[in-house]
Formats: sequence, structure tokens, C-alpha cells
Amino acid sequence: DAGVTQSPTHLIKTRGQQVTLRCSPKSGHDTVSWYQQALGQGPQFIFQYYEEEERQRGNFPDRFSGHQYPNYSSELNVNALLLGDSALYLCASSEKGRKGEQFFGPGTRLTVL
Amino acid sequence: QQQVKQSPQSLIVQKGGISIINCAYENTAFDYFPWYQQFPGKGPALLIAIRPDVSEKKEGRFTISFNKSAKQFSLHIMDSQPGDSATYFCAAKEVPTNINQFYFGTGTSLTVIP
Repeated sequence: DAGVTQSPTHLIKTRGQQVTLRCSPKSGHDTVSWYQQALGQGPQFIFQYYEEEERQRGNFPDRFSGHQYPNYSSELNVNALLLGDSALYLCASSEKGRKGEQFFGPGTRLTVL
Repeated sequence: QQQVKQSPQSLIVQKGGISIINCAYENTAFDYFPWYQQFPGKGPALLIAIRPDVSEKKEGRFTISFNKSAKQFSLHIMDSQPGDSATYFCAAKEVPTNINQFYFGTGTSLTVIP
């Protein structure tokens, strides 16, 4: 079992650009959540996808959008990048019905210059 | 507003000692309280979790103590080892259970000195 995988590992972009991050959930999991973790902080919930729909969103602007595919993999898109978007972006997967338990991927380190 | 408040920010413990990290919350709708361990360059890994219907849960050297009336919970690491050196996050989640919007504390950097 490969667990939750994310790509790329690292990414450098400039202000105003757009970025797409990818996540493959753990085998058997159908729900994907995305988190932003700024340096020295705890992860902040961005949104959750289940059955290819966004089910819940945290306090993030519309520049952050996502998608889930029929195979449960997911993408996080961020438009009009700001310096403050520099962070570790974490994907977490879970199995619907398994109360609360979620598993995190290693993250994608995004640096915005 | 920080939904889950965690302390201390950093902790240094001698090998074999007890590490204690505390968290507090206000939202009484929270019903699941996990602790995560994160090593540099890695994603958080679930360590142990508790629900409000029990006051304590123990798994190996790790114990969660939960005080529902005080809205506080804590992680105790017994016989702390250098390999336990990592950042620890408490978290909380509210009903409904199919929405995994976890609220994380700000983290505690634990260093265990050999």
C-alpha cells in the first residue's frame, strides 16, 4: 500500500502565476481533504472532496479551487499566486464512514517569489 | 481565531522522562481529538486519538487524557526517546463525521536529549 502520494515534492512559482498540485489517496479511501501549512504553524483546512464534489470549505478565497476524479485522485489549483501562499500543501485521505481517521501525504512545498 | 490552543510551543525532555503537551478548545461540538506527529519534510502522522466518551486512552508509551468539563486534553509520552523528537499537533473535529474539517493547534516542537 503506497499510502497517500502527492506531486510534485517542491515547486517554485512567481507572483501572479497559477499552480496545480496533485494527490492520490490511500487505497480504499474515497475522500480527499487539502490543508495549507505555513512554516511553524498547524495545518489549515482548505476544502474536502467526496464523490467529485466540494463538500466543505475552510476560510480560503476562491483563488483556491479543486477537483476530484472518478478514481478519487484530486487536484488543488491556486490562481494569482501571492507571496503569502508559500507553504506546505498537504493532502489527506479518508474512508467515508470511518469516523474522523485521515491519513496525510508528505506534502508539496510551494515557494512563491 | 484559533479554535484549538496548544502549549507549550517547544519542549525539551531528557531521555526516559515524561513529555506532556496540552490543548484546550471552546467548541463543544468537537467530538474527535487526534494527535499527530510530524517529522521535518514529512506530513503529519496520526499518533493516537480519543472521543469525548472516555477520559483516557493509552497506546504503548502514548496516553491521551481528556477532561470534557474543562474542555482540555493532553498528550503524555512516557519514557521519552530521542526518536520521539518531532513536532506534535493536537487537533479537533466536530460532527458530522463525514466532514473532515480538522482544526489544528499551532504545534509543539519536542526535543528529547539522549
